Amino acid sequence: DVKVTQSSRYLVKRTGEKVFLECVQDMDHENMFWYRQDPGLGLRLIYFSYDVKMKEKGDIPEGYSVSREKKERFSLILESASTNQTSMYLCATGGGANTGELFFGEGSRLTVL
Amino acid sequence: QQQVKQSPQSLIVQKGGISIINCAYENTAFDYFPWYQQFPGKGPALLIAIRPDVSEKKEGRFTISFNKSAKQFSLHIMDSQPGDSATYFCSSGNTGKLIFGQGTTLQVKP
Repeated sequence: DVKVTQSSRYLVKRTGEKVFLECVQDMDHENMFWYRQDPGLGLRLIYFSYDVKMKEKGDIPEGYSVSREKKERFSLILESASTNQTSMYLCATGGGANTGELFFGEGSRLTVL
Repeated sequence: QQQVKQSPQSLIVQKGGISIINCAYENTAFDYFPWYQQFPGKGPALLIAIRPDVSEKKEGRFTISFNKSAKQFSLHIMDSQPGDSATYFCSSGNTGKLIFGQGTTLQVKP
């Protein structure tokens, strides 16, 4: 089974802090994604990556950046956290040509005070 | 920005009933239409998916109905069970990048 591990399940940060959300996958997939989940808004794509060192903006990239130095690891960075970034963050991998299936981590719930 | 519109936002069904969730998409170039199921405290997981070359796909109690001309698709859960209580997301796109609907919280009452 594909495993997607998000290192922090719950985080509480203060406004202006730099926040790192880490995601590791164990299935050697090229594609990795960061989504944000908010009630009534569904899942919205922040950034994605099709390969190491490569990144592309999703639908809501403002206030976020990403890093992919190794194939299995995809990090989401909030340079200066704000209260409107309080949310559930979901990392995913997969989306290959054969099945298209995405495999999600269990999420990181971030609260910015 | 492309959207996928999902309804209803919440749904309460009696055990044994039929649950129906609807979605509408905009981009006719989309070729992949999956539904994801999410339980509290877990990430979404693929439930069932369809490609636009068929109008219906059934897996057990779960059926996707697809209407290409109307750009709509729906999830039907037959004989709904309390264990089906979860949040359901439709999505559409091309393999590798998906747009998700707003989610439907389903509660199946025993």
